[in-house]
Amino acid sequence: QQQVKQSPQSLIVQKGGISIINCAYENTAFDYFPWYQQFPGKGPALLIAIRPDVSEKKEGRFTISFNKSAKQFSLHIMDSQPGDSATYFCAASIGWTSGTYKYIFGTGTRLKVLA
Amino acid sequence: NAGVTQTPKFQVLKTGQSMTLQCAQDMNHNSMYWYRQDPGMGLRLIYYSASEGTTDKGEVPNGYNVSRLNKREFSLRLESAAPSQTSVYFCASSEAPNARQKAYEQYFGPGTRLTVT
Repeated sequence: QQQVKQSPQSLIVQKGGISIINCAYENTAFDYFPWYQQFPGKGPALLIAIRPDVSEKKEGRFTISFNKSAKQFSLHIMDSQPGDSATYFCAASIGWTSGTYKYIFGTGTRLKVLA
Repeated sequence: NAGVTQTPKFQVLKTGQSMTLQCAQDMNHNSMYWYRQDPGMGLRLIYYSASEGTTDKGEVPNGYNVSRLNKREFSLRLESAAPSQTSVYFCASSEAPNARQKAYEQYFGPGTRLTVT
């Protein structure tokens, strides 16, 4: 119920291509779905996030598509660049519980964009 | 404004040794978190502190203790290290909740890479 399943584990894309990472969840109480980007040797940083009342959110080359009925959401990176090579984590939050917001993270996708 | 800082960056321990990982944030955030990151496992919550003076267990608390020293600092202690605690540890913080979406954002430190032999 509390899991967030992420796929694929790794992804290789040519420069200029589209990178797609998928996540699925079971708990319908989740109400916030962020994506975090992590470069080697660094901590994760928020990339983009969506709430379940919208089906899509776009910020530059990054888009989240959200399918509430299927309980799935995905990250699309358009015109992928070598600088996008990083590990990407999806996450879900159940909202305000026990005095704060907590995330359940997916297992991560290592993206490599070839020049 | 340094954000979230963690010390040390690297540490090697022998089985049974103890150590404390330090974390501090200068963003005046209320909530702080400790995660561990293992290959293929993502980030798993160890402990969190919703506000100064409170701490709670997360998903994988066994073998760890925490102290919220003040609003800025949140430390993680391994009393008797085990090889299974070899991992990269991240501290994070977030603002107090309000109507803004930013209230959900967690800001992460650079991590501590711990090896237990």
